[in-house]
Amino acid sequence: NAGVTQTPKFQVLKTGQSMTLQCAQDMNHNSMYWYRQDPGMGLRLIYYSASEGTTDKGEVPNGYNVSRLNKREFSLRLESAAPSQTSVYFCASSERSSLGANVLTFGAGSRLTVL
Amino acid sequence: ILNVEQSPQSLHVQEGDSTNFTCSFPSSNFYALHWYRWETAKSPEALFVMTLNGDEKKKGRISATLNTKEGYSYLYIKGSQPEDSATYLCALGGFQKLVFGTGTRLLVSP
Repeated sequence: NAGVTQTPKFQVLKTGQSMTLQCAQDMNHNSMYWYRQDPGMGLRLIYYSASEGTTDKGEVPNGYNVSRLNKREFSLRLESAAPSQTSVYFCASSERSSLGANVLTFGAGSRLTVL
Repeated sequence: ILNVEQSPQSLHVQEGDSTNFTCSFPSSNFYALHWYRWETAKSPEALFVMTLNGDEKKKGRISATLNTKEGYSYLYIKGSQPEDSATYLCALGGFQKLVFGTGTRLLVSP
């Protein structure tokens, strides 16, 4: 099983350019998430989708949009990239565990640099 | 916004040493506490999920305890090995989402 697949792994953008990070999971999970990881900040939630057809803002949603295309796919779009969005982005998915708490499975990460 | 704090920020030990880290969180409205292990250039991987006060979990040489009344969890590694070198994240959840701490970076020297 591939688990959670993110593309691209690396991307360099100029300020103002747009791009979409793609994420797909093959575990039939209901929930999907986008996090960003910055030095000293830990993982911060950008957006999440609790189930197909729903999306909600996380801690740092400004400058991003998301689409839950179907149960498998959850994309993150930067409409007008800014240097502050230089980061490593992680997609994750989860299904409610037997304990009633969501264990996350992460993708490999996408390193984005905005010049 | 929930505040999840981890200490220490980093730790350097020798092979064979035992070590422990702390995760502190608000004790009100507790749902679940997660521990993840994050090796450099890889993705975070789940170690434990704990939901009940007094929970103890163990996986090999790694164990964790939970105190929801006072709002903390400890992660213990017995007899550290170089392959234990990683960042250890705790996260407070969360039917819908998790809030992560900034992690404790462990380096184990041979």
